[in-house]
Amino acid sequence: AQSVSQHNHHVILSEAASLELGCNYSYGGTVNLFWYVQYPGQHLQLLLKYFSGDPLVKGIKGFEAEFIKSKFSFNLRKPSVQWSDTAEYFCAVGPTGTYKYIFGTGTRLKVLA
Amino acid sequence: NAGVTQTPKFQVLKTGQSMTLQCAQDMNHEYMSWYRQDPGMGLRLIHYSVGAGITDQGEVPNGYNVSRSTTEDFPLRLLSAAPSQTSVYFCASSYHNPGGGIRGYTFGSGTRLTVV
Repeated sequence: AQSVSQHNHHVILSEAASLELGCNYSYGGTVNLFWYVQYPGQHLQLLLKYFSGDPLVKGIKGFEAEFIKSKFSFNLRKPSVQWSDTAEYFCAVGPTGTYKYIFGTGTRLKVLA
Repeated sequence: NAGVTQTPKFQVLKTGQSMTLQCAQDMNHEYMSWYRQDPGMGLRLIHYSVGAGITDQGEVPNGYNVSRSTTEDFPLRLLSAAPSQTSVYFCASSYHNPGGGIRGYTFGSGTRLTVV
């Protein structure tokens, strides 16, 4: 069965530190990949997405993610985090052509001012 | 532009009661889905719909029913509430992606349900 793993459950960084959140999935075919962010008390918002082409995708608020097919990974990065990036981040994966999107368990990021 | 609207925002039910969580979108999205969010478990897909009249089960469909009579609305029905259904429920919608799947979800603000 398809699954998504986010190994970092809690991450604490100081402002201006670099961020990398891991996302690995288990599915052998082509996939659509997403990162969502949930700020405290709010609903999820789309950060970025990958369907095909350039494996390095850029999203909103300075976030980017790299799809590495050989590693079944889609890690989220940001060169310099801000206090306002404090939130929970979710990776989601769905086999291309299907509509069953599976979410990871999320990573809570806390950025210290 | 309201996006995805969920009602109610909060609800307390007694075990065995039934209720319907409402979801409406005004973006003419073909695809709609319901997820539940539980601490440490992320979001789990309950049911989804790829268009009016078409629904299918997700990961955790037991105890829930859905229907999609219009493009705009996708209500979720709890048939006989149980404490295990205490959760935050999110409705989401999206356009189809021409290459398959969806373009990316727009989420509603959620319904926090407590079953006592």
